[in-house]
Amino acid sequence: DVKVTQSSRYLVKRTGEKVFLECVQDMDHENMFWYRQDPGLGLRLIYFSYDVKMKEKGDIPEGYSVSREKKERFSLILESASTNQTSMYLCASNVGGTYYEQYFGPGTRLTVT
Amino acid sequence: AQTVTQSQPEMSVQEAETVTLSCTYDTSESDYYLFWYKQPPSRQMILVIRQEAYKQQNATENRFSVNFQKAAKSFSLKISDSQLGDAAMYFCAYRSAYPSGAGSYQLTFGKGTKLSVIP
Repeated sequence: DVKVTQSSRYLVKRTGEKVFLECVQDMDHENMFWYRQDPGLGLRLIYFSYDVKMKEKGDIPEGYSVSREKKERFSLILESASTNQTSMYLCASNVGGTYYEQYFGPGTRLTVT
Repeated sequence: AQTVTQSQPEMSVQEAETVTLSCTYDTSESDYYLFWYKQPPSRQMILVIRQEAYKQQNATENRFSVNFQKAAKSFSLKISDSQLGDAAMYFCAYRSAYPSGAGSYQLTFGKGTKLSVIP
């Protein structure tokens, strides 16, 4: 079974802190994604990576950066957390190709106070 | 840009009954893929069913089936013989058949429908 894990299920941070969300997949997938999930807004793509050290902005990249130094690991970084970044963050990965599904991690619920 | 619309924020169904979740999308592309994902409470999102736009036959997976109307840009999910474990958020998603940007295939999600199953 494909496994996508995220470092924390729940995280509470203060405004202005630097926050790291980690995602690891164990299936040698080329593509990895970070989404933000908010009630009534669905999932919105923040960033994705199609290879080590390669990244592309998604629909809402402002306030976020990412890092992919190893194929299996994709990190989302909030340089200076703000209260409007309180949300559920979902990581996903897939092989890359025409119809392959994305596999999701369990999510990290981040609260910024 | 593509958009996906789920017009039913919440729905409920009696156990063992059938329910249909609606999804419409807007695209100018002819080749694409459509997905229904399920997110149970506090659990990981999983793929329920997938439909390739070039296939006329509607996809089915056990109790789950879709009604794909390409001309109408409609992609509804039917759940037959509903079970308590079907209670979840359901997301409809669209993906182009062609890579965007650097070559990745991004998903565009609807806002979701929360399905409750009544015992």
